[in-house]
Amino acid sequence: QVQLVQSGAEVKRPGASVKVSCKAPDYTFNKYEVNWLRQAPGRGLEWMAWINTYNGHTNYTKKFEGRVTLTTDTSTSTVYMELRSLTSDDTAMYFCAGDEHERWFDPWGQGTLVTVSS
Amino acid sequence: ERVMTQSPATLSVSPGERATLSCRASQTVAGNLAWYQQKPGRAPRLLIYEASARATGIPARFSGSGFGTEFTLTISSLQSEDFAVYYCQQYNNWPRTFGQGTKLEIK
Repeated sequence: QVQLVQSGAEVKRPGASVKVSCKAPDYTFNKYEVNWLRQAPGRGLEWMAWINTYNGHTNYTKKFEGRVTLTTDTSTSTVYMELRSLTSDDTAMYFCAGDEHERWFDPWGQGTLVTVSS
Repeated sequence: ERVMTQSPATLSVSPGERATLSCRASQTVAGNLAWYQQKPGRAPRLLIYEASARATGIPARFSGSGFGTEFTLTISSLQSEDFAVYYCQQYNNWPRTFGQGTKLEIK
């Protein structure tokens, strides 16, 4: 079963930025578009953004526009999510999830815990 | 934005019984709806897509139905491993949106 592999947990100060990676198996990289979602402690799932790994097109939810950037490195089959100007409200588990042709989310990464604390 | 509303927030059911979970969209999402199961500390797992199609490896006791604004996930005979949180999600429109989740707990 295809799995996406995310980078490890991060601890950041308020105002800092974080960059989380999501690596797909080489043979599947262009098969999936990649979404980023997050889940605050004890809360539900929140979709943040999407990138087409083939042409680089992106789509962001209004809440994160201007604060989130998605990029790809095709040489390593990796997608990156950078979130800037962190506050304690950004403390959450961040997931990447693939979709084919802008549909349901599958497969998923294992999640990356980002903690924002002074 | 399509607002997805799930009910109930918590459902208490005994093993072996049937569980019925509901999801309502604020505007039509056609059949572009998925269901996910999430256990503590784990990533969500896709159960159902296109409102009623089971994902690979999902047991037949899971079934989905509905179209437009009203959707249902039914688990016909609950097993111990089914107690988890379930989310519906629409992919008909941007932004993608989820329901707030239904926690299925052992009665």
